[in-house]
Amino acid sequence: DVVMTQSPLSLPVTLGQPASISCRSSQSLVGGDGNTYLDWFQQRPGQSPRRLIYKVSNRDSGVPDRFSGSGSGTDFTLKISRVEAEDVGVYYCMQGTHWPPWTFGQGTKVEIK
Amino acid sequence: QVQLVESGGGVVQPGRSLRLSCAASGFTFSKYGIHWVRQAPGKGLEWVAVILSDGSNEKYADSVKGRFTISRDNSKNTLYLQMNSLRVEDTAMYYCSVFEYWGQGTLVTVSS
Repeated sequence: DVVMTQSPLSLPVTLGQPASISCRSSQSLVGGDGNTYLDWFQQRPGQSPRRLIYKVSNRDSGVPDRFSGSGSGTDFTLKISRVEAEDVGVYYCMQGTHWPPWTFGQGTKVEIK
Repeated sequence: QVQLVESGGGVVQPGRSLRLSCAASGFTFSKYGIHWVRQAPGKGLEWVAVILSDGSNEKYADSVKGRFTISRDNSKNTLYLQMNSLRVEDTAMYYCSVFEYWGQGTLVTVSS
């Protein structure tokens, strides 16, 4: 199984400042079709997960453009350009290249300083 | 708008069974593979099972293989998860999802 490792696991941020979350996979996530199936999800307190980014860098509909995804191979990053109060929650990366299983990172808790 | 509404959760004793349902609307259900994902209290997300769009193929996490069965009824736009031989460690919020969309979850508690 592909192991997804996120860092940091806790990220205190100041409002208006940038934030960055790293996600590393135990093997390359480039699929046989040339696509890289790496998604990012946000889970606000008490809510269901919500997908923010799919295939590394594609924002889902309605996702603010302060969220961006990048990376390739085994190293990926989610960036928030300017953190807002509504961004508090836990962020997960997930790989969908080598399935089953689909595997998630441990989660990164973003909180306001 | 897209809706996924789970139901069927509850409190059950170890070794017993439970059947979850997920009613879908707002999209062409029959064209999507659809997943169950669970989250134990205070823990992260764990993929459980998937069923392909036409119901022809299912995959399971090792932790539930042989005990859980995923199925779907495309005529009713509904996904199911039959959970047998439940264990305390199956206690979690269970979500149905196509990853772009998620339900609100249904809570399963396995306790004696």
